[in-house]
Amino acid sequence: DAKTTQPNSMESNEEEPVHLPCNHSTISGTDYIHWYRQLPSQGPEYVIHGLTSNVNNRMASLAIAEDRKSSTLILHRATLRDAAVYYCTLRAGNNRKLIWGLGTSLAVNP
Amino acid sequence: GAGVSQSPSNKVTEKGKDVELRCDPISGHTALYWYRQRLGQGLEFLIYFQGNSAPDKSGLPSDRFSAERTGESVSTLTIQRTQQEDSAVYLCASSLLAGRTDTQYFGPGTRLTVL
Repeated sequence: DAKTTQPNSMESNEEEPVHLPCNHSTISGTDYIHWYRQLPSQGPEYVIHGLTSNVNNRMASLAIAEDRKSSTLILHRATLRDAAVYYCTLRAGNNRKLIWGLGTSLAVNP
Repeated sequence: GAGVSQSPSNKVTEKGKDVELRCDPISGHTALYWYRQRLGQGLEFLIYFQGNSAPDKSGLPSDRFSAERTGESVSTLTIQRTQQEDSAVYLCASSLLAGRTDTQYFGPGTRLTVL
């Protein structure tokens, strides 16, 4: 199974943009990149997903490198409620499982 | 609408006892997943159900772990003869289908503590 690598922690100031990187150098051509986040004492919640093209939704943007070996989750204006652990996961073509790494713990300073 | 619910929210048991954890998925979701999350760790896949197909049990760590699902509704994860290393948060998720783009919706989890 392909793996993902993320920094253990990052810090941001409120109302500033945040770029959360993820490396997935062993990704295969049919693997989708999914991002979830987990607030304290809650289950993970979906943020965004993509295959090759950059994606935008109301929560965030996902920038995918041309070779697909890395991606970046972009929060355009961080708020205190965005403090969470952010997981970059892969969904393989024939594999129903999401492959989870350790995630990045994001702290947002007021 | 109602999300994924899990019960109990917390369970404390003694080593060697059996426990049952329950998951109620979102109505109409055909796929259901169980994960385990140890303290400070990512999610570890346990088992997956999709409609009437045979479940994918490849993530179950030992034969002490089993799970059942009735049709496309409730699922129960059973851990027999619990050990201290079974202490973790057990998360259930459901999705409409099981495609590569399907979003998984998670419940709040059951925190299991084995003394």
